[in-house]
Amino acid sequence: ETGVTQTPRHLVMGMTNKKSLKCEQHLGHNAMYWYKQSAKKPLELMFVYNFKEQTENNSVPSRFSPECPNSSHLFLHLHTLQPEDSALYLCASSPGTTPEAFFGQGTRLTVV
Amino acid sequence: RKEVEQDPGPFNVPEGATVAFNCTYSNSASQSFFWYRQDCRKEPKLLMSVYSSGNEDGRFTAQLNRASQYISLLIRDSKLSDSATYLCVVNRGNTGFQKLVFGTGTRLLVSP
Repeated sequence: ETGVTQTPRHLVMGMTNKKSLKCEQHLGHNAMYWYKQSAKKPLELMFVYNFKEQTENNSVPSRFSPECPNSSHLFLHLHTLQPEDSALYLCASSPGTTPEAFFGQGTRLTVV
Repeated sequence: RKEVEQDPGPFNVPEGATVAFNCTYSNSASQSFFWYRQDCRKEPKLLMSVYSSGNEDGRFTAQLNRASQYISLLIRDSKLSDSATYLCVVNRGNTGFQKLVFGTGTRLLVSP
């Protein structure tokens, strides 16, 4: 059982749809992250939040919009995506005192 | 050049074999180093941290050479359950904030 929960686990959406990915961590961590994992590519860091404040946006297109209402929840709002955005989107959290990241099980996104 | 480079494999080994994975990183300011394990269609999980003095955890030994910017992982007496992708990870962040940079991973297949 993971301390980081992501929903939905699978999502198929059209290019004109708007959807949101949700992440919740039950570990009391201060930092939360969104990563993208595409086939045959390394995990790519998208966004970093520390104490609810966004501290990093890794040149992510504006069709991806993160939201962190509190230190336990993280959302990724999606709109007008492209087929090449199809990937596994992983949420992670870390305590801040150590750099170890704890990952959720991911949302497998398919854009059609 | 990728910031973290790994041989993608796959490494096909019989049970009981010893196998070694290597990784190089390009950013000399990197603060800490890890090996993560990712099973098929699952999230990455921390396998072990890597220290300059070298560290061992059961059948797994990790080594770091800061001068050469080189990290290794040795697995002795391979088990079928070791089959997975092993991700070399470098942290470019500081205490309280981490920025993990992942390699593409090395796939290991252990056969009976």
